[in-house]
Amino acid sequence: QLHLQESRPGLVKPGDSLSLICTVTGGAISGSNYYWGWIRQPPGRGLEWIGSISYSGSTLYNPSLNSRATISVDTSQNQFALNLLPVTAADTAMYFCVRDLAHHDVLTGQLQSGWFDPWGQGTLVTVSS
Amino acid sequence: EIVMTQSPATLSVSPGERATLSCRASQSVSSNLAWYQQKPGQAPRLLIYGASTRATGIPVRFSGSGSGTEFTLTISSLQSEDLAVYYCQQYNIWPPYTFGQGTKLEIK
Repeated sequence: QLHLQESRPGLVKPGDSLSLICTVTGGAISGSNYYWGWIRQPPGRGLEWIGSISYSGSTLYNPSLNSRATISVDTSQNQFALNLLPVTAADTAMYFCVRDLAHHDVLTGQLQSGWFDPWGQGTLVTVSS
Repeated sequence: EIVMTQSPATLSVSPGERATLSCRASQSVSSNLAWYQQKPGQAPRLLIYGASTRATGIPVRFSGSGSGTEFTLTISSLQSEDLAVYYCQQYNIWPPYTFGQGTKLEIK
């Protein structure tokens, strides 16, 4: 069974970089035609998609992040990562890693969008001095 | 960006009764809509994709319907464990994927 687990960075200072790693077990990132993504949820609020990456490194991002987010993949470690720079208090949130069911159609090669399943348990990141 | 609007913000339903949650898109998303359940202190869980297809392991009391701009999640006979916030998400026009603001389901 596929399982995703986020790293726990905890407290980050304003202006610094937020770095998170998602470790995938129960299946290989490189063996999947799907994407892998990050979603965040500020305390008491709704969900915001940050971006997603394929096993080959193709990325898609939410424009609302104003190019502050970078997602990378390490298939040898079966991990993918999020880097957000610079952070402000508004980036305080629970961060979830997910499998994004986006994939390339096997016949046409066209990228098809998808939904999110499964989700990691989430890790709380607080931005404060 | 497609804006997803959920109603009501809070819904209070008695055990055994039907709960109906709504999600509206600012423009057509065809049937490219998913529903998630987030219980207190937990990560969201996929309930429905393709507007009406139940995810693996989801009880039959959960059903989704709709297409275009109007969607509904129905819980046919509410159980106490269904206490949660429910989110809809469109994946028709992206990036970005967008979510509704959520409906909090309370048990009377």
